Amino acid sequence: EAGVTQSPTHLIKTRGQQATLRCSPISGHTSVYWYQQALGLGLQFLLWYDEGEERNRGNFPPRFSGRQFPNYSSELNVNALELEDSALYLCASSFGRVNQPQHFGDGTRLSIL
Amino acid sequence: DQQVKQNSPSLSVQEGRISILNCDYTNSMFDYFLWYKKYPAEGPTFLISISSIKDKNEDGRFTVFLNKSAKHLSLHIVPSQPGDSAVYFCAASEPSGGSYIPTFGRGTSLIVHP
Repeated sequence: EAGVTQSPTHLIKTRGQQATLRCSPISGHTSVYWYQQALGLGLQFLLWYDEGEERNRGNFPPRFSGRQFPNYSSELNVNALELEDSALYLCASSFGRVNQPQHFGDGTRLSIL
Repeated sequence: DQQVKQNSPSLSVQEGRISILNCDYTNSMFDYFLWYKKYPAEGPTFLISISSIKDKNEDGRFTVFLNKSAKHLSLHIVPSQPGDSAVYFCAASEPSGGSYIPTFGRGTSLIVHP
C-alpha cells in the first residue's frame, strides 16, 4: 500500500511569489491535514480537509489556502511568500472524522530567497 | 502558549538501556495521545497511542504511560537500539466539533549510542 506522497520534495521561491504544494493521501483516507514545521519548532497545524471541504484551519493568515479534490488529493497554496514561510510542509491523511493516527508524507521543503 | 510540552530537547542513552521520553500537557480536554518518530528527511511515523480511559499501552519495545492527574505522559523504549535514534514527538487531541486535530510538542531528539 502506497503511503502519503508529497510533491515537490524541494521548492525554491523568492519573496512575493506564490507556491503550490501537492499531496496524495493513502488510499481510502478521506481526511488530509497540512502542517508547517519551521526550524526549531514543532508541527504547527495549517489546514484540515475532509470529503472535499475545509473543516478547520490553524492560526495562519488567509494567504495560506488550499483545496481537496474529488479523489481526496490536496493542494496547499501560499501566496505573497515571505521569508518566514521557509519551512518543511507536511501533509498527513487519516480516515474521516474519527480519532485515528495520522499518517505523514515526507514533506516539501520550501525555501524563500 | 504551548499546550503540549516536551521539556527535554535531547536525550542520550546507551544501547540496551531504557529510554524515557516525557511529555506534559495543559489542556484537560485532551483525551487521545500519540507518539511519533521522525528521521531526518522523512515525515513523522506513528509509533503508539493511548486513550484517556487507559493508563498504559504496550507495543513491543514501546510502552506509553498516561498520568491524567499530573497531565503527563511518557514513552519507554526497552531495550534501546541505535536505530531508535530519531526525534520523538508527543501529540494530544480532543474531540471538538467533529475534528481530532492533534497538537504537537516540539520534539525530543533521542540518541542511542553503542
